[in-house]
Amino acid sequence: GDSVTQMEGPVTLSEEAFLTINCTYTATGYPSLFWYVQYPGEGLQLLLKATKADDKGSNKGFEATYRKETTSFHLEKGSVQVSDSAVYFCALTVGTASKLTFGTGTRLQVTL
Amino acid sequence: DAGVTQSPTHLIKTRGQQVTLRCSPKSGHDTVSWYQQALGQGPQFIFQYYEEEERQRGNFPDRFSGHQFPNYSSELNVNALLLGDSALYLCASSSLTGGEYTEAFFGQGTRLTVV
Repeated sequence: GDSVTQMEGPVTLSEEAFLTINCTYTATGYPSLFWYVQYPGEGLQLLLKATKADDKGSNKGFEATYRKETTSFHLEKGSVQVSDSAVYFCALTVGTASKLTFGTGTRLQVTL
Repeated sequence: DAGVTQSPTHLIKTRGQQVTLRCSPKSGHDTVSWYQQALGQGPQFIFQYYEEEERQRGNFPDRFSGHQFPNYSSELNVNALLLGDSALYLCASSSLTGGEYTEAFFGQGTRLTVV
């Protein structure tokens, strides 16, 4: 079946540090890939997405590139802020189905 | 424009009881999906409703059932509650357009505690 594996957290960084959160996947078909963010006490918000190989999704300074050869979709940000503290989920859908398969999430804590 | 709204926000139930959770989709959306998010885990897909019918289902027992109304709102029902059903239940809405689904928008969830 389809699955997503994320690096375990928590990840603790100082403000302005570089962020990488690793994500790899297995899929029965050709997936679309997503990063969602969950702030404390809130639901999930779509951060960025990529629908085909070599696509780069970007939003709010975050980027992720769809790497089919390594089945990866790592999330990066050049300079994190305290306000980026949240839980980040990598996810995929396959084909025309809208069912999302999520990873277990990675908690990011950014300190001053 | 109201986004996805869920009610109630918190709920405490006793083992063996039944519970109903409600979801109103974002305006213009016709498809509702439900997810269960256990503490420290990623959301797990329960099922999806479109045109008042269950279209897809994840690996959840028949104790989990749902309904979609003509106005696209949806309910999730769980019977014979177990302690393990304690979780955050998330509703997501989207729209099926041209054979493809639009971006899914999530509600803030209902926190269910079974004691």
